[in-house]
Amino acid sequence: DARVTQTPRHKVTEMGQEVTMRCQPILGHNTVFWYRQTMMQGLELLAYFRNRAPLDDSGMPKDRFSAEMPDATLATLKIQPSEPRDSAVYFCASGSRTGWNTGELFFGEGSRLTVL
Amino acid sequence: SQKIEQNSEALNIQEGKTATLTCNYTNYSPAYLQWYRQDPGRGPVFLLLIRENEKEKRKERLKVTFDTTLKQSLFHITASQPADSATYLCALDIDNAGNMLTFGGGTRLMVKP
Repeated sequence: DARVTQTPRHKVTEMGQEVTMRCQPILGHNTVFWYRQTMMQGLELLAYFRNRAPLDDSGMPKDRFSAEMPDATLATLKIQPSEPRDSAVYFCASGSRTGWNTGELFFGEGSRLTVL
Repeated sequence: SQKIEQNSEALNIQEGKTATLTCNYTNYSPAYLQWYRQDPGRGPVFLLLIRENEKEKRKERLKVTFDTTLKQSLFHITASQPADSATYLCALDIDNAGNMLTFGGGTRLMVKP
C-alpha cells in the first residue's frame, strides 16, 4: 500500500540542538503539508507545498523553523535551535490537488519530538 | 477570530447507539469540509468529504451533514461499535484555494460494549 513515510518516529534532543524531520510523500502526489500536534493546540498547519513550491508557511516560526522540498520524493522540516516548547508530534501529509479536485490528505505516522 | 470548534469533551455512548459529533465554524465560507479519524499514536485517516452544495453524504455506517447557513457539520456513526472509539477531526480549507486545510480540535468518542 502507498503511504507517507516519516523519519525519525521518535527523537529526544537537548535544547539548542538542530532537529531535521524527513517525509517521503506518496508517489504522484503534488501537495505536501507539515502539521504539528500538541494536546493544547491540536493540529496546527505549519507549511504547505504544491508541486514542490512553498505556498504557505505562515503558521511556522520563521526564526527557527524551515521547510524545504528538495525533490518530489523528500520534504524536510528543520528546527534550529530547538526549544522545549517545540516538543510535539510533527505530521507530514500528502495529497493530490488539481484545479478543484480537493482530494483527501494522507498522513504519515508522525515524528514525536521531545526537547529537553 | 476564525475558529473551527468541536466538542473537546469525550463522547461516551453504548454499543449499538448512534454517535453524533458536531463541528462548528465561524468566519469561513468553505467550499467543502472533511472528517478524519485519529487513533492514539497514529496519524489522522480520511473518512469523508462533503461539498457546500451537498446537504448529506453517507459511507457505510457514517453520515455527514453540512449546513452552510448554520455553519455546522454533523458526523453520525450508526450502530456504533467499540472499534469506532477514536478521536474524530473535522477540517476546512479556510482559504478555498486548497492551500490551508485547517483542523478542529477533535472529539474523542468512546463506545462501550
